Amino acid sequence: DAGVIQSPRHEVTEMGQEVTLRCKPISGHDYLFWYRQTMMRGLELLIYFNNNVPIDDSGMPEDRFSAKMPNASFSTLKIQPSEPRDSAVYFCASSFTPSEQYFGPGTRLTVT
Amino acid sequence: GEDVEQSLFLSVREGDSSVINCTYTDSSSTYLYWYKQEPGAGLQLLTYIFSNMDMKQDQRLTVLLNKKDKHLSLRIADTQTGDSAIYFCAEVTTSGTYKYIFGTGTRLKVLA
Repeated sequence: DAGVIQSPRHEVTEMGQEVTLRCKPISGHDYLFWYRQTMMRGLELLIYFNNNVPIDDSGMPEDRFSAKMPNASFSTLKIQPSEPRDSAVYFCASSFTPSEQYFGPGTRLTVT
Repeated sequence: GEDVEQSLFLSVREGDSSVINCTYTDSSSTYLYWYKQEPGAGLQLLTYIFSNMDMKQDQRLTVLLNKKDKHLSLRIADTQTGDSAIYFCAEVTTSGTYKYIFGTGTRLKVLA
């Protein structure tokens, strides 16, 4: 299996622009997670899905962030408008059970 | 609220054993995990322990759980330079929805 696939691997954008991060989970995994990692705040869970349905989005920072999972093999995390404080590494993870998560390589986002 | 704490740094000599410690606060934790993160990569699941277990051994890795003190440790026997990475402790609790809390990570440096 190719593992969790994320794109792009690096994204540099200007403040105010829309940013879309993409994730393809491991085939057969029913759970999908979005995390954000920064030096200051560590690793934070933003949202997770089960069978394409958002279960807990309490970690989503504000209304500028939205996540969708239109089907079992694809999810997006969108930031609109982006701000410099959104700069971080965003990880997608998937799992067959709710707990044993397999992480993608991450997308490094820089907002200038 | 829930919190997972780890020391930030650990330095050991190649061939010695490493012990990485973690404390957590939520006594309803169901699973406790150890992840490894190498530079520029996502988190890699190393091992896990159920909350009703005291110890788990997996090749060079030994996980010890002290539920009374809410203390988790990861021992790496015969530490190698390839073990240099950041190690994250994580707890998963189930009370309605699943909650995932990651520690701050311990940076392990193995000296040749």
